[in-house]
Amino acid sequence: ELKVEQNPLFLSMQEGKNYTIYCNYSTTSDRLYWYRQDPGKSLESLFVLLSNGAVKQEGRLMASLDTKARLSTLHITAAVHDLSATYFCAVDEYTGNQFYFGTGTSLTVIP
Amino acid sequence: GAVVSQHPSRVICKSGTSVKIECRSLDFQATTMFWYRQFPKQSLMLMATSNEGSKATYEQGVEKDKFLINHASLTLSTLTVTSAHPEDSSFYICSASQGRRDQPQHFGDGTRLSIL
Repeated sequence: ELKVEQNPLFLSMQEGKNYTIYCNYSTTSDRLYWYRQDPGKSLESLFVLLSNGAVKQEGRLMASLDTKARLSTLHITAAVHDLSATYFCAVDEYTGNQFYFGTGTSLTVIP
Repeated sequence: GAVVSQHPSRVICKSGTSVKIECRSLDFQATTMFWYRQFPKQSLMLMATSNEGSKATYEQGVEKDKFLINHASLTLSTLTVTSAHPEDSSFYICSASQGRRDQPQHFGDGTRLSIL
C-alpha cells in the first residue's frame, strides 16, 4: 500500500516567518497534489506537480517535487494569519491506480 | 471561475436510512467527478471516480453496494449511502473536472453526514 507521510502534523508559527512542510511517499510517482482545507470547510486545490523538479508558486506558497527522493515540499514565506489552515498533499500512483492523501499539516499563524 | 454545488450541506438521519448527495457543476461540463470521504479529525480518502455515462471506479476497500454513484449527465453526479449506519458518518466531498485526476479539480462545499 502506498504510504504518504507529512511532517509536521501541527505547526504554529509567527507571522513573518518562513517554514517548510514535507510530504514523503513510498512509491514511484510523478504526480503530487497540494490542497488547503479551512476548518469545517471543503478542499481547495493549491498545486499540481507533474514532473521531477517541478516548482510552482502562488503568493507566499511554493511547492516542489523531487521524484527521486519521493519528496514534495510546501514552503511558506513570510507567513500571514490568512494562511492558517490544514494542508494536505496527495500522491497519485496512476500505474497502480492508487491515490492517497497525506495525514495533513495543521498550520496556525500567530499574529 | 468554475463552481461546483454540493447538496445537502448537512444531513442527520436515523440508522438504516439511505441518503443521497448531489454534486453539480454549474458553469462547466464535468466529464469526471470524484468523491472523497473525511473521517472526523482525520485525513481524506478518495472513494471513487465517476465518468459521465459509465460505471464509477471505486478505490480499494470502498463498498460499491454501500456507496452508489451515478453520473448520468455532464453536470450531475450523485452519491447514495445505502442503509446508512453510524460508522458511515463522515464529511463527504465531491469535485468535478474536465478530465483526469491531474486536471484542475473544483470542489463542492462538502456534506456532513451524521447517522444516529
